[in-house]
Amino acid sequence: QKEVEQNSGPLSVPEGAIASLNCTYSDRGSQSFFWYRQYSGKSPELIMFIYSNGDKEDGRFTAQLNKASQYVSLLIRDSQPSDSATYLCAVNPMDSNYQLIWGAGTKLIIKP
Amino acid sequence: GAVVSQHPSWVICKSGTSVKIECRSLDFQATTMFWYRQFPKQSLMLMATSNEGSKATYEQGVEKDKFLINHASLTLSTLTVTSAHPEDSSFYICSARDGSSNTGELFFGEGSRLTVL
Repeated sequence: QKEVEQNSGPLSVPEGAIASLNCTYSDRGSQSFFWYRQYSGKSPELIMFIYSNGDKEDGRFTAQLNKASQYVSLLIRDSQPSDSATYLCAVNPMDSNYQLIWGAGTKLIIKP
Repeated sequence: GAVVSQHPSWVICKSGTSVKIECRSLDFQATTMFWYRQFPKQSLMLMATSNEGSKATYEQGVEKDKFLINHASLTLSTLTVTSAHPEDSSFYICSARDGSSNTGELFFGEGSRLTVL
């Protein structure tokens, strides 16, 4: 059973601080990794994806991938109240016909 | 970026009626589309995988005769909830993969909130 695990939270972070969201996955052959943000009552939107070990930065967001340890994380710098949402980690395993395996999501609350 | 349009956004229907939800990829060809259902405060639950020109593949526990999926073109997939009942009330979301990309990211429609009275 291929699994993706996330802490459900809520994770509370003061405004302006760094929010760190973590995700682990079970399929060692997984190829690509995605972070989506979902506001309450809305559909998920893609924040970024990563498929090479190391860091990938996009504005205030940095995705980190460590395939040896099978974890992927998302850092949000200078957190804003508008970043408050549920963050979903998704993994594309090998031989999956691009069917992503989803974590349950971490609820992030940025406190002004 | 890639845009997926889904409608209707909201639909209220009487028990026993059927509801059709459309999902369109506006600026790319979607060889594969996925239909999800999400209950309040729960994660996404994959219902079925739809490939253009072939029958959909349903996840375990999802009734294919109740949730009819048609993916007749590279830009349109439809989900029809037949003989809807109150327990079918949920947030239905489609997503699509750009067939020209090998990175695998999915682009989501806006979602359709179904309420069955």
